[in-house]
Amino acid sequence: DTEVTQTPKHLVMGMTNKKSLKCEQHMGHRAMYWYKQKAKKPPELMFVYSYEKLSINESVPSRFSPECPNSSLLNLHLHALQPEDSALYLCASSHEGARTDTQYFGPGTRLTVL
Amino acid sequence: AQTVTQSQPEMSVQEAETVTLSCTYDTSESDYYLFWYKQPPSRQMILVIRQEAYKQQNATENRFSVNFQKAAKSFSLKISDSQLGDAAMYFCAYLANTGNQFYFGTGTSLTVIP
Repeated sequence: DTEVTQTPKHLVMGMTNKKSLKCEQHMGHRAMYWYKQKAKKPPELMFVYSYEKLSINESVPSRFSPECPNSSLLNLHLHALQPEDSALYLCASSHEGARTDTQYFGPGTRLTVL
Repeated sequence: AQTVTQSQPEMSVQEAETVTLSCTYDTSESDYYLFWYKQPPSRQMILVIRQEAYKQQNATENRFSVNFQKAAKSFSLKISDSQLGDAAMYFCAYLANTGNQFYFGTGTSLTVIP
Protein backbone atom coordinates (compact mmCIF):
# COMPACT_ATOMS: atom_id res chain seq x y z
CA ASP A 1 0.00 0.00 0.00
CA THR A 2 1.60 3.26 -1.14
CA GLU A 3 -1.32 5.52 -0.38
CA VAL A 4 -1.18 8.97 1.12
CA THR A 5 -4.59 10.55 1.66
CA GLN A 6 -5.38 14.24 1.94
CA THR A 7 -8.54 16.05 2.98
CA PRO A 8 -10.26 18.13 1.88
CA LYS A 9 -9.78 17.94 -1.90
CA HIS A 10 -10.84 21.54 -2.34
CA LEU A 11 -10.97 24.43 0.11
CA VAL A 12 -12.15 27.99 -0.34
CA MET A 13 -11.49 30.38 2.51
CA GLY A 14 -11.54 34.05 3.26
CA MET A 15 -8.53 35.92 4.51
CA THR A 16 -9.86 35.97 8.08
CA ASN A 17 -10.75 32.29 8.28
CA LYS A 18 -8.95 29.53 10.11
CA LYS A 19 -8.87 26.13 8.44
CA SER A 20 -6.76 22.97 8.51
CA LEU A 21 -5.49 20.54 5.91
CA LYS A 22 -5.06 16.92 6.85
CA CYS A 23 -2.71 14.23 5.55
CA GLU A 24 -2.57 10.58 6.54
CA GLN A 25 -0.38 7.60 5.64
CA HIS A 26 -0.28 4.04 6.94
CA MET A 27 2.92 2.86 5.32
CA GLY A 28 4.99 3.13 8.48
CA HIS A 29 6.90 6.09 7.06
CA ARG A 30 8.59 8.32 9.61
CA ALA A 31 9.21 11.36 7.40
CA MET A 32 6.35 13.55 6.21
CA TYR A 33 6.37 16.66 4.05
CA TRP A 34 4.24 19.63 3.06
CA TYR A 35 4.72 21.20 -0.36
CA LYS A 36 3.10 24.17 -2.07
CA GLN A 37 2.64 23.99 -5.82
CA LYS A 38 1.59 26.76 -8.20
CA ALA A 39 0.21 25.91 -11.64
CA LYS A 40 2.77 24.47 -14.07
CA LYS A 41 5.56 24.81 -11.48
CA PRO A 42 7.41 22.19 -9.45
CA PRO A 43 6.44 21.64 -5.82
CA GLU A 44 8.13 23.92 -3.30
CA LEU A 45 9.08 22.37 0.01
CA MET A 46 7.49 24.00 3.05
CA PHE A 47 8.05 21.68 6.02
CA VAL A 48 9.62 18.33 6.84
CA TYR A 49 8.80 16.23 9.87
CA SER A 50 11.15 13.45 10.87
CA TYR A 51 10.03 11.10 13.64
CA GLU A 52 7.25 13.56 14.47
CA LYS A 53 9.69 16.43 14.99
CA LEU A 54 9.94 19.42 12.69
CA SER A 55 13.29 19.12 10.95
CA ILE A 56 12.98 21.59 8.08
CA ASN A 57 11.03 24.84 7.85
CA GLU A 58 11.76 26.57 4.57
CA SER A 59 11.16 30.10 5.87
CA VAL A 60 7.42 29.69 5.59
CA PRO A 61 5.26 32.58 6.92
CA SER A 62 3.77 32.00 10.35
CA ARG A 63 0.25 32.01 8.93
CA PHE A 64 1.05 28.39 8.04
CA SER A 65 1.43 26.21 11.11
CA PRO A 66 2.29 22.51 10.76
CA GLU A 67 1.50 19.84 13.28
CA CYS A 68 2.39 16.16 13.46
CA PRO A 69 0.20 14.55 16.17
CA ASN A 70 1.53 11.05 15.48
CA SER A 71 3.61 9.15 12.96
CA SER A 72 0.67 8.64 10.58
CA LEU A 73 -0.89 12.08 10.61
CA LEU A 74 0.21 15.51 9.45
CA ASN A 75 -1.84 18.69 9.64
CA LEU A 76 -1.34 22.15 8.21
CA HIS A 77 -3.20 24.89 10.06
CA LEU A 78 -4.04 27.98 8.05
CA HIS A 79 -4.83 31.42 9.43
CA ALA A 80 -5.07 34.90 7.92
CA LEU A 81 -3.94 33.73 4.51
CA GLN A 82 -3.39 35.98 1.52
CA PRO A 83 -4.74 35.51 -2.02
CA GLU A 84 -1.22 34.64 -3.19
CA ASP A 85 -1.36 31.58 -0.93
CA SER A 86 -3.87 30.03 -3.32
CA ALA A 87 -2.21 26.89 -4.64
CA LEU A 88 -2.19 23.10 -4.58
CA TYR A 89 -0.89 21.82 -1.26
CA LEU A 90 0.73 18.42 -1.47
CA CYS A 91 1.63 16.08 1.34
CA ALA A 92 4.23 13.34 0.95
CA SER A 93 5.86 10.68 3.08
CA SER A 94 8.98 8.54 2.94
CA HIS A 95 10.97 6.05 4.94
CA GLU A 96 13.40 7.72 7.29
CA GLY A 97 16.70 6.16 8.17
CA ALA A 98 20.28 5.97 7.13
CA ARG A 99 19.20 6.09 3.51
CA THR A 100 16.24 8.28 2.73
CA ASP A 101 14.33 7.41 -0.35
CA THR A 102 11.26 7.75 -2.50
CA GLN A 103 8.60 10.22 -1.50
CA TYR A 104 4.99 9.15 -2.02
CA PHE A 105 2.59 11.97 -2.65
CA GLY A 106 -1.04 12.48 -1.79
CA PRO A 107 -3.59 13.85 -4.27
CA GLY A 108 -3.35 17.36 -2.86
CA THR A 109 -5.72 20.00 -1.56
CA ARG A 110 -6.62 22.79 -3.96
CA LEU A 111 -6.77 25.94 -1.83
CA THR A 112 -8.39 29.18 -2.95
CA VAL A 113 -8.07 32.26 -0.75
CA LEU A 114 -10.58 35.01 -1.48
CA ALA B 1 23.04 23.71 -3.72
CA GLN B 2 21.96 21.01 -6.11
CA THR B 3 20.21 22.11 -9.29
CA VAL B 4 18.09 20.08 -11.66
CA THR B 5 17.47 21.30 -15.20
CA GLN B 6 14.78 20.21 -17.61
CA SER B 7 15.42 22.09 -20.83
CA GLN B 8 12.22 21.05 -22.63
CA PRO B 9 9.20 22.92 -21.22
CA GLU B 10 6.89 21.13 -23.67
CA MET B 11 7.08 17.98 -25.75
CA SER B 12 4.63 16.12 -27.93
CA VAL B 13 4.56 12.57 -29.25
CA GLN B 14 2.29 10.55 -31.50
CA GLU B 15 0.45 7.73 -29.84
CA ALA B 16 2.46 4.48 -30.02
CA GLU B 17 5.70 6.35 -30.72
CA THR B 18 8.71 6.85 -28.47
CA VAL B 19 9.71 10.08 -26.74
CA THR B 20 12.69 11.04 -24.61
CA LEU B 21 12.57 13.70 -21.89
CA SER B 22 15.85 15.28 -20.82
CA CYS B 23 17.15 16.06 -17.35
CA THR B 24 20.54 17.23 -16.16
CA TYR B 25 21.65 17.91 -12.62
CA ASP B 26 24.54 19.39 -10.76
CA THR B 27 25.95 17.86 -7.60
CA SER B 28 29.23 17.22 -5.84
CA GLU B 29 27.83 14.14 -4.10
CA SER B 30 28.74 10.65 -5.24
CA ASP B 31 25.76 8.82 -3.77
CA TYR B 32 22.24 9.97 -4.54
CA TYR B 33 18.91 9.03 -6.06
CA LEU B 34 17.20 10.31 -9.17
CA PHE B 35 13.50 10.11 -9.89
CA TRP B 36 10.96 10.84 -12.55
CA TYR B 37 7.51 11.79 -11.32
CA LYS B 38 4.42 12.20 -13.46
CA GLN B 39 1.65 14.67 -12.61
CA PRO B 40 -1.47 14.34 -14.77
CA PRO B 41 -4.17 17.01 -14.78
CA SER B 42 -5.76 15.06 -11.91
CA ARG B 43 -2.74 16.55 -10.04
CA GLN B 44 -1.41 13.61 -8.02
CA MET B 45 2.36 13.20 -8.30
CA ILE B 46 3.02 9.60 -9.28
CA LEU B 47 6.42 7.93 -9.17
CA VAL B 48 7.40 6.72 -12.63
CA ILE B 49 10.91 5.43 -12.09
CA ARG B 50 13.82 5.61 -9.66
CA GLN B 51 17.57 5.26 -10.14
CA GLU B 52 20.26 4.79 -7.51
CA ALA B 53 23.46 6.55 -8.53
CA TYR B 54 25.73 3.70 -7.45
CA LYS B 55 23.99 1.30 -9.81
CA GLN B 56 25.46 1.12 -13.30
CA GLN B 57 22.38 -0.51 -14.78
CA ASN B 58 19.70 1.79 -16.10
CA ALA B 59 16.32 1.41 -14.40
CA THR B 60 13.35 0.20 -16.40
CA GLU B 61 9.69 -0.02 -15.51
CA ASN B 62 7.53 -1.52 -18.25
CA ARG B 63 7.40 1.10 -21.06
CA PHE B 64 9.55 3.56 -19.11
CA SER B 65 13.32 3.44 -19.04
CA VAL B 66 16.10 5.84 -18.19
CA ASN B 67 19.48 6.65 -19.68
CA PHE B 68 21.63 7.47 -16.67
CA GLN B 69 24.99 9.00 -17.50
CA LYS B 70 26.65 9.68 -14.16
CA ALA B 71 29.78 11.37 -15.49
CA ALA B 72 27.70 13.67 -17.66
CA LYS B 73 25.14 14.17 -14.86
CA SER B 74 22.35 13.32 -17.23
CA PHE B 75 19.16 11.37 -16.50
CA SER B 76 16.76 11.13 -19.43
CA LEU B 77 13.43 9.31 -19.49
CA LYS B 78 12.34 7.26 -22.49
CA ILE B 79 8.68 6.43 -22.92
CA SER B 80 8.03 3.69 -25.46
CA ASP B 81 4.70 2.94 -27.14
CA SER B 82 3.24 6.21 -25.84
CA GLN B 83 -0.35 6.10 -24.67
CA LEU B 84 -2.92 8.83 -24.19
CA GLY B 85 -2.70 8.28 -20.45
CA ASP B 86 0.97 9.30 -20.53
CA ALA B 87 -0.04 12.91 -21.13
CA ALA B 88 1.10 14.80 -18.04
CA MET B 89 3.71 17.09 -16.56
CA TYR B 90 6.90 15.15 -15.87
CA PHE B 91 9.28 16.26 -13.13
CA CYS B 92 12.84 15.06 -12.69
CA ALA B 93 14.02 15.06 -9.07
CA TYR B 94 17.29 14.62 -7.20
CA LEU B 95 17.74 13.36 -3.64
CA ALA B 96 21.08 13.17 -1.86
CA ASN B 97 21.67 9.95 0.06
CA THR B 98 22.21 11.84 3.30
CA GLY B 99 19.26 14.20 3.00
CA ASN B 100 15.50 14.13 2.66
CA GLN B 101 15.04 17.24 0.54
CA PHE B 102 14.07 16.73 -3.08
CA TYR B 103 15.34 19.09 -5.74
CA PHE B 104 12.88 19.24 -8.62
CA GLY B 105 13.38 20.34 -12.20
CA THR B 106 10.96 22.82 -13.74
CA GLY B 107 9.00 20.10 -15.50
CA THR B 108 8.20 19.02 -19.05
CA SER B 109 4.62 19.04 -20.24
CA LEU B 110 4.03 16.02 -22.47
CA THR B 111 1.18 15.94 -24.96
CA VAL B 112 0.21 12.66 -26.63
CA ILE B 113 -1.39 13.09 -30.04
CA PRO B 114 -3.95 10.44 -31.04
